[in-house]
Amino acid sequence: DVKVTQSSRYLVKRTGEKVFLECVQDMDHENMFWYRQDPGLGLRLIYFSYDVKMKEKGDIPEGYSVSREKKERFSLILESASTNQTSMYLCASSYTYGTAKLQYYEQYFGPGTRLTVT
Amino acid sequence: RKEVEQDPGPFNVPEGATVAFNCTYSNSASQSFFWYRQDCRKEPKLLMSVYSSGNEDGRFTAQLNRASQYISLLIRDSKLSDSATYLCVVNQAGSARQLTFGSGTQLTVLP
Repeated sequence: DVKVTQSSRYLVKRTGEKVFLECVQDMDHENMFWYRQDPGLGLRLIYFSYDVKMKEKGDIPEGYSVSREKKERFSLILESASTNQTSMYLCASSYTYGTAKLQYYEQYFGPGTRLTVT
Repeated sequence: RKEVEQDPGPFNVPEGATVAFNCTYSNSASQSFFWYRQDCRKEPKLLMSVYSSGNEDGRFTAQLNRASQYISLLIRDSKLSDSATYLCVVNQAGSARQLTFGSGTQLTVLP
């Protein structure tokens, strides 16, 4: 079974604090993702990494940065937490299968971190 | 128009009923499709990948209609444990980066 773990289930931080969220996967997946999920807005991609030290911005990268120093670990950093970053943060990893013509990327999620910024 | 649209529901059905969800996508270049389920306050979990000819896994059947740009999920003989939110997911261009999630359809199976 694929296992994706996140460092905390619940986190409470103050406005302006630097926040680190860590994600580890044990299946040697090349791709890793950070999403946030808010009621009515669904899952939104913050950042994506397709290899060690490689990253791409997602749809809502402002106020966030990421780090991927090892293949199994992908960290999300909130440089200066704000109340509008209160959310559920979900990490995912994926691998590729299929053919050259049609590829599938099944994503597996960690349990999520519910972050509250006060 | 949203890239992936789902009826948010809620769908309330009695145990044993058959229920179907539809999902439409706007990008005709979309290549692969998935259904995830998400329980309350939990992470999404992969339910099925949707293959071009449609596929079945026990009580669950997924179908794809490329011409009309929709995918469907059929659940037969609903169980109480099927109560969850079902997310339609579309991969736009064969890139791991470009997965788009629908907002989900909420299902409650009633005893």
